[in-house]
Amino acid sequence: AQSVAQPEDQVNVAEGNPLTVKCTYSVSGNPYLFWYVQYPNRGLQFLLKYITGDNLVKGSYGFEAEFNKSQTSFHLKKPSALVSDSALYFCAVRDPNTGGFKTIFGAGTRLFVKA
Amino acid sequence: KAGVTQTPRYLIKTRGQQVTLSCSPISGHRSVSWYQQTPGQGLQFLFEYFSETQRNKGNFPGRFSGRQFSNSRSEMNVSTLELGDSALYLCASSIGQGVYEQYFGPGTRLTVT
Repeated sequence: AQSVAQPEDQVNVAEGNPLTVKCTYSVSGNPYLFWYVQYPNRGLQFLLKYITGDNLVKGSYGFEAEFNKSQTSFHLKKPSALVSDSALYFCAVRDPNTGGFKTIFGAGTRLFVKA
Repeated sequence: KAGVTQTPRYLIKTRGQQVTLSCSPISGHRSVSWYQQTPGQGLQFLFEYFSETQRNKGNFPGRFSGRQFSNSRSEMNVSTLELGDSALYLCASSIGQGVYEQYFGPGTRLTVT
């Protein structure tokens, strides 16, 4: 069965510093991987996705993520954090080999960026 | 383009009642998924509809059901409400299945008393 883990409930980083939000997954085949962000009192927004090809994918708001097949990871990164990046981040996975496209979300990681 | 809309935004129901939530996807989007979000369980997948057919279902009891209409609008129904059904119910639409990202609505906040 497919699953996704976000090992950190919370990540704290100072503004201007690089940030990393971790995600590991488990699927039977080659996964489709996604990152979403949820700002306070707003819906989830798509950030970026990995389907195939280049392991480094770039997304909205300066975020990027690196797909690592050997470590089954898809960590979200940003070179320089902003206070406005403070939000709840969700990693999600789809296993295209299951015959359907059920999306499984991680538990979420709350990012706090301090000025 | 208008985003995903969900109605109503807030609902208060009592145990044993039933409720119907509505979702209008982005124009041109044919896939609609429903999720339950709670502080303890996070985002839990309920079901996905594509071309009026349920393509996937999560691990929820049969009290949770849904449907999709020919215009891609979707409804979900919860019968015999329980206190534990209190949650934010999110609808997401995408152009199709598989590789496409989802666009989420603001959610319906359901409180069961």
